[in-house]
Amino acid sequence: QSVLTQPPSVSAAPGQRVSISCSGSSPNIGSNYVAWYQQLPGTAPKLLIYDNSQRPSGIPDRFSGSKSGTSATLSITGLQTGDEADYYCATWDSSLSAGVFGGGTKLTVL
Amino acid sequence: QVQLQESGPGLVKPSQTLSLTCRVSGDSIDSGYSWTWIRQAAGRGLEWIGRVYTSGSTNYNPSLKSRVTLSVDTSKNQFFLRLNSVTVADSAVYYCARVSAVTLMGFDIWGQGTKVTVSS
Repeated sequence: QSVLTQPPSVSAAPGQRVSISCSGSSPNIGSNYVAWYQQLPGTAPKLLIYDNSQRPSGIPDRFSGSKSGTSATLSITGLQTGDEADYYCATWDSSLSAGVFGGGTKLTVL
Repeated sequence: QVQLQESGPGLVKPSQTLSLTCRVSGDSIDSGYSWTWIRQAAGRGLEWIGRVYTSGSTNYNPSLKSRVTLSVDTSKNQFFLRLNSVTVADSAVYYCARVSAVTLMGFDIWGQGTKVTVSS
């Protein structure tokens, strides 16, 4: 059971917008920055978003992140078939003094 | 560019110790970053194992803390994972990663991962 809760799967058509939620609590999302990772099949995860909404160099602006209270959201616009992947949220948990991941969300681009 | 490469035995017997090395190339390991290990069991999500600073300071996943040790050898530009008393539940792909200098959970460079199977 993950400390952070994500929907197991989401789907949308090419060109559409999709949002993936990540729900936590006060000692984790409520108190710390959130990061998001994309994991394409058979590959290592890649950092998409850090500090709730910042994109590393090279990440297109189709990917955006936000945080409100104890929840965070990753949004992807202009969906492409190449966006089909697993997406994970992550943050620090101040009560555990440890990093925590969400359970992951599988994105299907129909 | 900075690259990370995991290495270690692909097969470990139950109750034995799993030892992995992450070699950092393209930059000094002692350049202001910390370093982390993450694992992923087959068909499962990511699990944070712990983080090590080049000072030797560490943080561990509470569920693994009694069995795991992370360390660094700056002279070799490597960092290490040791996991004691392994069981089949420790079978996973193990990734090493660099922790961004600006955020706690921003792992900006990853190794390709190494698969470890625990079996007799």
